[in-house]
Amino acid sequence: KQEVTQIPAALSVPEGENLVLNCSFTDSAIYNLQWFRQDPGKGLTSLLLIQSSQREQTSGRLNASLDKSSGRSTLYIAASQPGDSATYLCAVFDYGGATNKLIFGTGTLLAVQP
Amino acid sequence: DTEVTQTPKHLVMGMTNKKSLKCEQHMGHRAMYWYKQKAKKPPELMFVYSYEKLSINESVPSRFSPECPNSSLLNLHLHALQPEDSALYLCASLGGGNTEAFFGQGTRLTVV
Repeated sequence: KQEVTQIPAALSVPEGENLVLNCSFTDSAIYNLQWFRQDPGKGLTSLLLIQSSQREQTSGRLNASLDKSSGRSTLYIAASQPGDSATYLCAVFDYGGATNKLIFGTGTLLAVQP
Repeated sequence: DTEVTQTPKHLVMGMTNKKSLKCEQHMGHRAMYWYKQKAKKPPELMFVYSYEKLSINESVPSRFSPECPNSSLLNLHLHALQPEDSALYLCASLGGGNTEAFFGQGTRLTVV
């Protein structure tokens, strides 16, 4: 059974710092991996999708990498801002036969202090 | 349009009530999902519909009944729920191939 873990569970940094969020998964036979952010009480906002054949994706201040063989993905946030404060979730696309199942990590709660 | 719309945003229901949650997307996606999220926990998969047929049921109690009337619409019918079913219910859709999943804003359900 696929298990997805995120470290750290919570992180508090001063504004302007660069930071790295980690995502680990137990079964490397995944299809794709997607990073989301979630504001309190809200739905999920897609940040980056890393397709199975890719190793990296970038969008603005965000950079995500994927190493399927080691079961790891990282999300790098450059020059953090208070508006980045949210919960960050990674999700692996686990192929469930005819359909992909998105299995979520445990999440990292990020607080960026002004 | 990359939007998944869920209604209602909030719902309070008694344990003897019957209610329904609705999810709509117009991206032509053929897979639609229901997730349940408790406070401070990640979303947990409940159901997956693929091409309007139930593809995955993650051993969800029968008091939750999904329905996919057409390729754009997904419903979750609720009956005789328990207070522990109170949670944020999220709907998602996924296109084929190497596409990203899109989520709605969720329905905050409270069972009293």
